[in-house]
Amino acid sequence: DQQVKQNSPSLSVQEGRISILNCDYTNSMFDYFLWYKKYPAEGPTFLISISSIKDKNEDGRFTVFLNKSAKHLSLHIVPSQPGDSAVYFCAASAHVQGAQKLVFGQGTRLTINP
Amino acid sequence: ETGVTQSPTHLIKTRGQQVTLRCSSQSGHNTVSWYQQALGQGPQFIFQYYREEENGRGNFPPRFSGLQFPNYSSELNVNALELDDSALYLCASSLFSGFGEETQYFGPGTRLLVL
Repeated sequence: DQQVKQNSPSLSVQEGRISILNCDYTNSMFDYFLWYKKYPAEGPTFLISISSIKDKNEDGRFTVFLNKSAKHLSLHIVPSQPGDSAVYFCAASAHVQGAQKLVFGQGTRLTINP
Repeated sequence: ETGVTQSPTHLIKTRGQQVTLRCSSQSGHNTVSWYQQALGQGPQFIFQYYREEENGRGNFPPRFSGLQFPNYSSELNVNALELDDSALYLCASSLFSGFGEETQYFGPGTRLLVL
């Protein structure tokens, strides 16, 4: 039962353009959403998050949009830079027996072409 | 500010053996979570520790166990290793706030190979 899905395994974008990464979820109990970036041989690095009571959060070149009715969120990166090439994971927060558990999508590999 | 650290970075074990992985949380954090990431997948929640107690577990068998110490560092123990336990094991730390919107910060992971 994949509660968080990233349907695009890979995405290729030209440097300077906008990168849009998408994520869908099924559980309406998720109340906090996060995006992480992962380079090979490193752990996931936190990028940006959004609470379920908001529909947009911005931090520099990164903007996350949340559409609760569609159970969809997206990460926009603009302008895209070569250093943005990495695997991006969407994660949703749920509470299990008092613990905060993150449920991750399968990841999208973003490649920025010069 | 010190980030999350994990040791060892790589480990090779044989089926049936036991393994212990270690994690030091980011300074100021009091909660540690462990995740297993298989190749090509997103991380899967194993369990979380807060105040030295396990306070939530994912869909993992009891042979996966852990500890949290008074300095908030943590161990993950896996007994009776199986081939499918081969994965990247990630530790994440966070500060429990009671409001639910805690960001988890990850360490670099331990790559475990079971032969």
